[in-house]
Amino acid sequence: GAVVSQHPSRVICKSGTSVKIECRSLDFQATTMFWYRQFPKQSLMLMATSNEGSKATYEQGVEKDKFLINHASLTLSTLTVTSAHPEDSSFYICSATSGQGEMSYNEQFFGPGTRLTVL
Amino acid sequence: DAKTTQPTSMDCAEGRAANLPCNHSTISGNEYVYWYRQIHSQGPQYIIHGLKNNETNEMASLIITEDRKSSTLILPHATLRDTAVYYCIVRPYFNKFYFGSGTKLNVKP
Repeated sequence: GAVVSQHPSRVICKSGTSVKIECRSLDFQATTMFWYRQFPKQSLMLMATSNEGSKATYEQGVEKDKFLINHASLTLSTLTVTSAHPEDSSFYICSATSGQGEMSYNEQFFGPGTRLTVL
Repeated sequence: DAKTTQPTSMDCAEGRAANLPCNHSTISGNEYVYWYRQIHSQGPQYIIHGLKNNETNEMASLIITEDRKSSTLILPHATLRDTAVYYCIVRPYFNKFYFGSGTKLNVKP
């Protein structure tokens, strides 16, 4: 099956700093990637949809200036949490799909997640 | 935007079948039923999906009622490694995934 990796798996940072999380599709070209966040004992919440070569679209209530998403290539999307604060501490998960056009939302493959702790 | 209702938690004895129900009474004709699971601190893992007919793969079986208002995921021989949160998701074939609260399955020795 298709493999999606994330780096780093865990990160601890000080309040006010920015943190970048990478999501890579290892054995397929991902035209669309999705970013989720998950607080302890809660479900996954979709944050944004990232299409290669275009601006990300954000779900309602997600601050686009706070969570910068770049999808510069068909195998890499990055999520940057800017000026992180303790309330941004969460589990961030990406998923990727190889479909194009209407198929771009099908067959999502999830990464292992990144645990962010902001002190 | 979750359109499903699942029990919060369920227990299952190791080696027995685990039957996880999901209610999706407002499902539309073009919406599929997907099942994913999430083992603690990992990304979700795809299990199975279906539209109308029952489906089976190497991991599980999916039984969808004739009126499509509910479904059951069956793990035929649960092991301790099947302990996870199981998510039932309803969505059109070409749409984003919105996760509900899921069912925590506890497989016990």
